[in-house]
Amino acid sequence: GENVEQHPSTLSVQEGDSAVIKCTYSDSASNYFPWYKQELGKRPQLIIDIRSNVGEKKDQRIAVTLNKTAKHFSLHITETQPEDSAVYFCAASRGAGGTSYGKLTFGQGTILTVHP
Amino acid sequence: DGGITQSPKYLFRKEGQNVTLSCEQNLNHDAMYWYRQDPGQGLRLIYYSQIVNDFQKGDIAEGYSVSREKKESFPLTVTSAQKNPTAFYLCASSSAPRQYEQYFGPGTRLTVT
Repeated sequence: GENVEQHPSTLSVQEGDSAVIKCTYSDSASNYFPWYKQELGKRPQLIIDIRSNVGEKKDQRIAVTLNKTAKHFSLHITETQPEDSAVYFCAASRGAGGTSYGKLTFGQGTILTVHP
Repeated sequence: DGGITQSPKYLFRKEGQNVTLSCEQNLNHDAMYWYRQDPGQGLRLIYYSQIVNDFQKGDIAEGYSVSREKKESFPLTVTSAQKNPTAFYLCASSSAPRQYEQYFGPGTRLTVT
Protein backbone atom coordinates (compact mmCIF):
# COMPACT_ATOMS: atom_id res chain seq x y z
CA GLY A 1 0.00 0.00 0.00
CA GLU A 2 0.85 3.67 -0.03
CA ASN A 3 3.35 5.09 2.44
CA VAL A 4 3.71 8.83 3.02
CA GLU A 5 6.66 10.28 4.91
CA GLN A 6 6.55 13.89 6.13
CA HIS A 7 9.38 16.12 7.34
CA PRO A 8 10.15 17.91 9.53
CA SER A 9 8.05 16.80 12.49
CA THR A 10 8.40 20.26 14.07
CA LEU A 11 9.21 23.61 12.49
CA SER A 12 9.74 26.90 14.25
CA VAL A 13 9.97 30.19 12.33
CA GLN A 14 9.81 33.90 12.99
CA GLU A 15 6.82 35.87 11.80
CA GLY A 16 7.38 36.95 8.22
CA ASP A 17 9.71 34.09 7.36
CA SER A 18 8.86 31.29 4.95
CA ALA A 19 8.09 27.71 5.97
CA VAL A 20 8.52 24.58 3.88
CA ILE A 21 7.17 21.13 4.67
CA LYS A 22 8.10 18.15 2.53
CA CYS A 23 6.44 14.80 1.85
CA THR A 24 7.41 11.74 -0.11
CA TYR A 25 5.10 8.98 -1.28
CA SER A 26 5.65 5.44 -2.47
CA ASP A 27 2.72 4.58 -4.76
CA SER A 28 3.34 5.78 -8.30
CA ALA A 29 -0.41 5.48 -8.97
CA SER A 30 -1.22 8.24 -6.47
CA ASN A 31 -2.54 11.27 -8.32
CA TYR A 32 -4.07 13.56 -5.72
CA PHE A 33 -2.14 15.29 -2.93
CA PRO A 34 -4.00 17.42 -0.39
CA TRP A 35 -2.69 19.41 2.55
CA TYR A 36 -4.67 19.79 5.75
CA LYS A 37 -4.24 22.28 8.59
CA GLN A 38 -5.32 21.29 12.08
CA GLU A 39 -5.43 23.80 14.90
CA LEU A 40 -5.22 22.54 18.46
CA GLY A 41 -8.28 20.47 19.36
CA LYS A 42 -9.98 21.21 16.04
CA ARG A 43 -10.79 19.26 12.92
CA PRO A 44 -8.35 19.06 9.98
CA GLN A 45 -9.26 21.51 7.24
CA LEU A 46 -8.26 21.21 3.60
CA ILE A 47 -6.10 24.21 2.67
CA ILE A 48 -4.74 23.33 -0.76
CA ASP A 49 -4.41 20.33 -3.03
CA ILE A 50 -2.64 19.39 -6.24
CA ARG A 51 -3.20 16.78 -8.90
CA SER A 52 -0.53 14.83 -10.68
CA ASN A 53 -1.02 16.67 -13.96
CA VAL A 54 0.07 19.94 -12.34
CA GLY A 55 3.54 20.85 -11.05
CA GLU A 56 2.67 23.82 -8.87
CA LYS A 57 -0.39 25.50 -7.42
CA LYS A 58 -0.66 28.76 -5.48
CA ASP A 59 -3.31 30.28 -3.27
CA GLN A 60 -2.29 33.61 -1.77
CA ARG A 61 0.50 32.88 0.74
CA ILE A 62 0.50 29.11 0.31
CA ALA A 63 1.77 27.03 -2.56
CA VAL A 64 2.30 23.37 -3.25
CA THR A 65 4.81 21.83 -5.65
CA LEU A 66 4.85 18.27 -6.96
CA ASN A 67 7.70 16.27 -8.46
CA LYS A 68 6.18 13.06 -9.82
CA THR A 69 9.48 11.61 -10.91
CA ALA A 70 10.97 11.89 -7.46
CA LYS A 71 7.61 11.16 -5.79
CA HIS A 72 7.70 14.15 -3.50
CA PHE A 73 5.59 17.22 -2.90
CA SER A 74 6.01 20.25 -0.69
CA LEU A 75 3.97 22.94 1.04
CA HIS A 76 5.36 26.47 1.03
CA ILE A 77 4.00 29.19 3.28
CA THR A 78 5.34 32.70 2.73
CA GLU A 79 5.13 35.71 5.05
CA THR A 80 4.13 33.48 7.95
CA GLN A 81 1.82 34.84 10.64
CA PRO A 82 1.16 33.61 14.19
CA GLU A 83 -2.24 32.31 13.07
CA ASP A 84 -0.44 29.91 10.73
CA SER A 85 0.69 28.00 13.84
CA ALA A 86 -0.94 24.56 13.63
CA VAL A 87 -0.27 20.96 12.67
CA TYR A 88 -0.04 20.42 8.92
CA PHE A 89 -0.67 17.05 7.29
CA CYS A 90 0.08 15.96 3.77
CA ALA A 91 -1.77 13.06 2.17
CA ALA A 92 -1.83 11.03 -1.02
CA SER A 93 -4.61 9.28 -2.88
CA ARG A 94 -5.18 7.34 -6.10
CA GLY A 95 -8.28 9.43 -6.57
CA ALA A 96 -11.80 8.17 -6.78
CA GLY A 97 -11.39 5.52 -9.44
CA GLY A 98 -11.25 1.75 -9.14
CA THR A 99 -11.06 0.28 -5.68
CA SER A 100 -9.33 3.25 -4.08
CA TYR A 101 -12.67 4.83 -3.08
CA GLY A 102 -10.92 8.11 -2.47
CA LYS A 103 -8.78 6.66 0.31
CA LEU A 104 -6.22 9.04 1.75
CA THR A 105 -2.90 8.03 3.28
CA PHE A 106 -1.60 10.72 5.62
CA GLY A 107 1.87 11.78 6.61
CA GLN A 108 2.79 11.98 10.27
CA GLY A 109 2.21 15.72 10.56
CA THR A 110 4.36 18.82 11.11
CA ILE A 111 3.88 21.10 14.10
CA LEU A 112 4.49 24.63 12.80
CA THR A 113 5.08 27.39 15.33
CA VAL A 114 5.30 30.98 14.15
CA HIS A 115 6.84 33.30 16.73
CA PRO A 116 5.72 36.94 16.74
CA ASP B 1 -18.14 24.25 10.11
CA GLY B 2 -21.52 22.57 9.83
CA GLY B 3 -22.43 19.46 7.93
CA ILE B 4 -20.62 16.75 9.86
CA THR B 5 -21.21 16.28 13.56
CA GLN B 6 -19.64 13.93 16.05
CA SER B 7 -20.80 13.30 19.55
CA PRO B 8 -19.82 13.43 22.26
CA LYS B 9 -16.75 15.67 22.17
CA TYR B 10 -15.20 13.87 25.14
CA LEU B 11 -15.91 10.29 26.19
CA PHE B 12 -14.60 8.36 29.15
CA ARG B 13 -14.92 4.60 29.56
CA LYS B 14 -13.61 1.86 31.74
CA GLU B 15 -11.41 -0.80 30.23
CA GLY B 16 -13.41 -3.79 28.98
CA GLN B 17 -16.46 -1.79 27.93
CA ASN B 18 -17.59 -1.31 24.35
CA VAL B 19 -18.31 2.27 23.34
CA THR B 20 -20.02 3.73 20.27
CA LEU B 21 -19.02 7.02 18.69
CA SER B 22 -21.56 8.90 16.63
CA CYS B 23 -21.01 10.51 13.22
CA GLU B 24 -23.79 12.24 11.30
CA GLN B 25 -23.67 14.29 8.11
CA ASN B 26 -26.29 16.29 6.26
CA LEU B 27 -24.17 16.97 3.19
CA ASN B 28 -25.75 14.14 1.18
CA HIS B 29 -22.29 12.60 0.86
CA ASP B 30 -22.11 8.99 -0.22
CA ALA B 31 -18.75 8.14 1.34
CA MET B 32 -17.85 8.24 5.02
CA TYR B 33 -14.63 7.42 6.82
CA TRP B 34 -13.31 6.88 10.35
CA TYR B 35 -9.77 7.84 11.33
CA ARG B 36 -7.81 7.51 14.50
CA GLN B 37 -5.29 10.21 15.45
CA ASP B 38 -2.42 9.62 17.86
CA PRO B 39 0.39 12.08 18.58
CA GLY B 40 3.17 11.89 16.00
CA GLN B 41 1.37 9.33 13.83
CA GLY B 42 -0.92 11.34 11.66
CA LEU B 43 -4.36 10.03 10.79
CA ARG B 44 -4.87 6.33 10.26
CA LEU B 45 -7.90 4.88 8.47
CA ILE B 46 -10.08 2.51 10.51
CA TYR B 47 -13.10 1.84 8.27
CA TYR B 48 -14.76 3.45 5.29
CA SER B 49 -18.08 3.16 3.52
CA GLN B 50 -19.02 4.10 -0.01
CA ILE B 51 -22.73 3.34 0.13
CA VAL B 52 -25.41 2.33 2.59
CA ASN B 53 -25.08 -1.21 3.93
CA ASP B 54 -21.52 -1.55 2.64
CA PHE B 55 -18.19 -0.82 4.33
CA GLN B 56 -14.55 -1.88 4.10
CA LYS B 57 -11.72 -2.28 6.57
CA GLY B 58 -9.03 0.35 6.59
CA ASP B 59 -5.47 -0.01 7.81
CA ILE B 60 -6.22 -0.51 11.51
CA ALA B 61 -9.68 -2.13 11.73
CA GLU B 62 -8.89 -4.67 14.45
CA GLY B 63 -10.93 -4.05 17.58
CA TYR B 64 -13.42 -1.77 15.82
CA SER B 65 -16.77 -2.27 14.13
CA VAL B 66 -19.07 -0.04 12.08
CA SER B 67 -22.49 0.00 10.49
CA ARG B 68 -23.99 2.05 7.67
CA GLU B 69 -27.76 1.63 7.86
CA LYS B 70 -28.46 5.20 6.77
CA LYS B 71 -26.65 7.48 4.34
CA GLU B 72 -26.36 10.17 7.01
CA SER B 73 -24.91 8.04 9.78
CA PHE B 74 -21.75 5.98 10.26
CA PRO B 75 -21.30 4.99 13.92
CA LEU B 76 -18.05 3.46 15.13
CA THR B 77 -17.92 0.95 17.98
CA VAL B 78 -14.67 0.59 19.87
CA THR B 79 -14.75 -2.87 21.33
CA SER B 80 -12.96 -4.28 24.33
CA ALA B 81 -10.68 -6.11 21.88
CA GLN B 82 -9.01 -2.84 20.91
CA LYS B 83 -5.77 -2.85 22.88
CA ASN B 84 -5.08 0.90 22.96
CA PRO B 85 -8.41 2.66 22.46
CA THR B 86 -7.47 6.03 23.98
CA ALA B 87 -7.17 8.41 21.02
CA PHE B 88 -8.81 11.23 19.07
CA TYR B 89 -11.33 9.83 16.57
CA LEU B 90 -12.24 11.74 13.44
CA CYS B 91 -15.07 11.06 11.04
CA ALA B 92 -15.00 12.36 7.47
CA SER B 93 -17.24 12.33 4.44
CA SER B 94 -16.93 12.97 0.72
CA SER B 95 -18.96 12.87 -2.44
CA ALA B 96 -18.44 11.47 -5.90
CA PRO B 97 -16.83 12.27 -8.25
CA ARG B 98 -14.33 13.96 -5.90
CA GLN B 99 -14.33 11.31 -3.20
CA TYR B 100 -10.75 12.14 -2.30
CA GLU B 101 -11.79 15.60 -1.03
CA GLN B 102 -12.72 14.62 2.49
CA TYR B 103 -14.34 16.93 5.03
CA PHE B 104 -13.90 16.19 8.69
CA GLY B 105 -16.10 16.30 11.73
CA PRO B 106 -14.95 17.96 14.99
CA GLY B 107 -13.73 14.69 16.50
CA THR B 108 -14.32 12.71 19.69
CA ARG B 109 -11.59 12.30 22.27
CA LEU B 110 -11.95 8.89 23.87
CA THR B 111 -10.18 8.09 27.12
CA VAL B 112 -10.23 4.53 28.44
CA THR B 113 -8.90 3.83 31.92
